[in-house]
Amino acid sequence: NAGVTQTPKFQVLKTGQSMTLQCAQDMNHEYMSWYRQDPGMGLRLIHYSVGAGITDQGEVPNGYNVSRSTTEDFPLRLLSAAPSQTSVYFCASSYGAGRETQYFGPGTRLLVL
Amino acid sequence: GENVEQHPSTLSVQEGDSAVIKCTYSDSASNYFPWYKQELGKRPQLIIDIRSNVGEKKDQRIAVTLNKTAKHFSLHITETQPEDSAVYFCAGTSGYALNFGKGTSLLVTP
Repeated sequence: NAGVTQTPKFQVLKTGQSMTLQCAQDMNHEYMSWYRQDPGMGLRLIHYSVGAGITDQGEVPNGYNVSRSTTEDFPLRLLSAAPSQTSVYFCASSYGAGRETQYFGPGTRLLVL
Repeated sequence: GENVEQHPSTLSVQEGDSAVIKCTYSDSASNYFPWYKQELGKRPQLIIDIRSNVGEKKDQRIAVTLNKTAKHFSLHITETQPEDSAVYFCAGTSGYALNFGKGTSLLVTP
């Protein structure tokens, strides 16, 4: 099993550009989530999904969209990138909601100029 | 949503000493409390978790205690080793969401 994979590993964007961060898992996990990690701020939940077709907002959803058309994939879309979105983004998955072991992907480092 | 407060933000101990990290939470319905370890440049990984029907759980040198009345839980690391140096995150659930504290940077000096 590859576990949780994320692409790209690193990305530079200009303010106003859009992009999609990809996340996939091959463990048949129902629950997937996106976090951003900033120095001194810990891991902040952006969006999560309890299954295909179901998504919900976390603590910091503004500026991000998600969709869950399949169990395996959970892409995160930045509609119009801003410097405040410079961060490291982690995708995670688990068998059941937030109450089970979260398996994190390797992260995507995003720089918005 | 769940608000998880974590203290201290940094902790330095000598090798062999114990380390304690404390977290408080606000959602009384929260029933799952994991701890994650993140080494520099790596992804977070679960090291131990506890559910609300248990007051304490141990796994070799690490233990977690939970006080539901006071809404706080703690991570205890005994006989610390240099490889324990990392950032540790506590978390708590709010509905289906898992919210993390801001992290504790632990440094174990030889």
